[in-house]
Amino acid sequence: QQQVKQSPQSLIVQKGGISIINCAYENTAFDYFPWYQQFPGKGPALLIAIRPDVSEKKEGRFTISFNKSAKQFSLHIMDSQPGDSATYFCAASMRAAGNKLTFGGGTRVLVKP
Amino acid sequence: DGGITQSPKYLFRKEGQNVTLSCEQNLNHDAMYWYRQDPGQGLRLIYYSQIVNDFQKGDIAEGYSVSREKKESFPLTVTSAQKNPTAFYLCASMSEFEDEQFFGPGTRLTVL
Repeated sequence: QQQVKQSPQSLIVQKGGISIINCAYENTAFDYFPWYQQFPGKGPALLIAIRPDVSEKKEGRFTISFNKSAKQFSLHIMDSQPGDSATYFCAASMRAAGNKLTFGGGTRVLVKP
Repeated sequence: DGGITQSPKYLFRKEGQNVTLSCEQNLNHDAMYWYRQDPGQGLRLIYYSQIVNDFQKGDIAEGYSVSREKKESFPLTVTSAQKNPTAFYLCASMSEFEDEQFFGPGTRLTVL
């Protein structure tokens, strides 16, 4: 059972544009929602994360929007740069269940110069 | 430097052989995790450990085994019972006082 669904699978955006990636989850007990960035052949690195008591979090060019009632959250990358070309994963976890991360399927983002 | 190290970076194995992947962290984290990543897919949890000498199965534990004899080490053994072992294996750790799970650089295992 896939508990976190991510879309789109791939995305092409022009330099300076906005990249938007969406995720939906099923388990309402999740209490932590991180986004990871992964470059080819490397381990994922935390980009930004949110807890369900807030609806939005912004860090630099990256913003998470969270809709608890719809069980959805999204990542917005503003002013996309070629260096942002990577695969992005949303995830969800519960502190009460050992903080195990359940990942979405990933979105490959290509930023064209 | 503080962080998570995984070795080797690349590993080749013949069918029917067991192989052990190393994961070491010097972050003083209590919890450690093993994930598997297949091409074009998200990560899936194999095993995790929240404390020394204790560990739990994740979603895809069949064909794998782990041990946690030391806080800083969490080796993963891929046994011959694992039917499709070729994958990218990632180790992670986290502190009980923080939210972030830190990942190592990964080991790419190929079964020939």
